[in-house]
Amino acid sequence: DAGVIQSPRHEVTEMGQEVTLRCKPISGHNSLFWYRQTMMRGLELLIYFNNNVPIDDSGMPEDRFSAKMPNASFSTLKIQPSEPRDSAVYFCASSKGGRVAEAFFGQGTRLTVV
Amino acid sequence: DAKTTQPTSMDCAEGRAANLPCNHSTISGNEYVYWYRQIHSQGPQYIIHGLKNNETNEMASLIITEDRKSSTLILPHATLRDTAVYYCIVNTGTASKLTFGTGTRLQVTL
Repeated sequence: DAGVIQSPRHEVTEMGQEVTLRCKPISGHNSLFWYRQTMMRGLELLIYFNNNVPIDDSGMPEDRFSAKMPNASFSTLKIQPSEPRDSAVYFCASSKGGRVAEAFFGQGTRLTVV
Repeated sequence: DAKTTQPTSMDCAEGRAANLPCNHSTISGNEYVYWYRQIHSQGPQYIIHGLKNNETNEMASLIITEDRKSSTLILPHATLRDTAVYYCIVNTGTASKLTFGTGTRLQVTL
């Protein structure tokens, strides 16, 4: 298995533009997590899906952020409109069942909003 | 989830054992101890987890004290590639979130 696949690896966009980050979880995993990492705040959980259903989105910073999981093999995280303070590395992770004992992380998307 | 306390940084000579401590004095009976690491510019990587017994796998060993208030991750023969930030996390292991603290930055040197 190729692991968790995220795209793009790097994204540079102008303030106000819409940004869409993509994630393909490991086949057979039915929990998916989106994290954000910055120097100031470290790794923060944004949202967590189980069986394609959002279970906990309390970490989503504001209404500009939205996440979807239309099927078991694909998820998106959208920021609209983007702001410079959204610049961070965004990680997607997946795990089997509802357990997070062994979550597998993707390589991340480095987002820069200028 | 119970909070954890880890040293900010540690050094280890290559080939020696790296012992990374973690305090989790408020751990509950149903909470596991997990260890992850994050090598620079990569996503976090699961290492090992345990409840109360010591655990060993191909990457590391986990020693949990009898009162479960602290644990130690042991990398038996550290290499330069083990240089990373190591996170100790306490979690029920069910459908709940992993909360990453600041971790321990391990620097393995020649």
